[in-house]
Amino acid sequence: LAKTTQPISMDSYEGQEVNITCSHNNIATNDYITWYQQFPSQGPRFIIQGYKTKVTNEVASLFIPADRKSSTLSLPRVSLSDTAVYYCLVGGLYNQGGKLIFGQGTELSVKP
Amino acid sequence: EPEVTQTPSHQVTQMGQEVILRCVPISNHLYFYWYRQILGQKVEFLVSFYNNEISEKSEIFDDQFSVERPDGSNFTLKIRSTKLEDSAMYFCASTSSGFNNEQFFGPGTRLTVL
Repeated sequence: LAKTTQPISMDSYEGQEVNITCSHNNIATNDYITWYQQFPSQGPRFIIQGYKTKVTNEVASLFIPADRKSSTLSLPRVSLSDTAVYYCLVGGLYNQGGKLIFGQGTELSVKP
Repeated sequence: EPEVTQTPSHQVTQMGQEVILRCVPISNHLYFYWYRQILGQKVEFLVSFYNNEISEKSEIFDDQFSVERPDGSNFTLKIRSTKLEDSAMYFCASTSSGFNNEQFFGPGTRLTVL
């Protein structure tokens, strides 16, 4: 499993774009990059997943450079409700039987 | 929108007692999981379940733990003799396929062992 490294915490203000970068130098050819969001006292929630280049959905964008050794989750125009912990996970589609391996995540604090 | 539900939301028990945490996964899902999160720590995988049997379990999931899918809708986690260190949030998750990493998590059960 590829080890991931992401900042422990980030601060932002409402209306700003937030970019959270995750390093995964040992990513394998078959690995996908997945991001989850977790609000306090709630279960994690899937945000976005990608393999290479750029993926966009209604919540976020995921940028993956050609070497795939890092990825950046981009949250456009954050609001107070985006305050949460964001996890970067790397693993194959089968991901060792389907389990998710969470790291410590990035605690994003959005201020008014 | 379909969602995973869990009961109870909060369970308080005495050390040594048995507890059963209940989950109702999304109806057409086939893969089921339990995770736990000790306060202030990361989410940890406990066990995965598919086709009425355990697919994989972590080191945390020792003989004190068991899972069951007693009918077509419920998925339970039993801890036979709780310890203080079992105090945590327990999350159930499900997914329709083992071919992606999108799992749907329930709201969790907060277990407090006194």
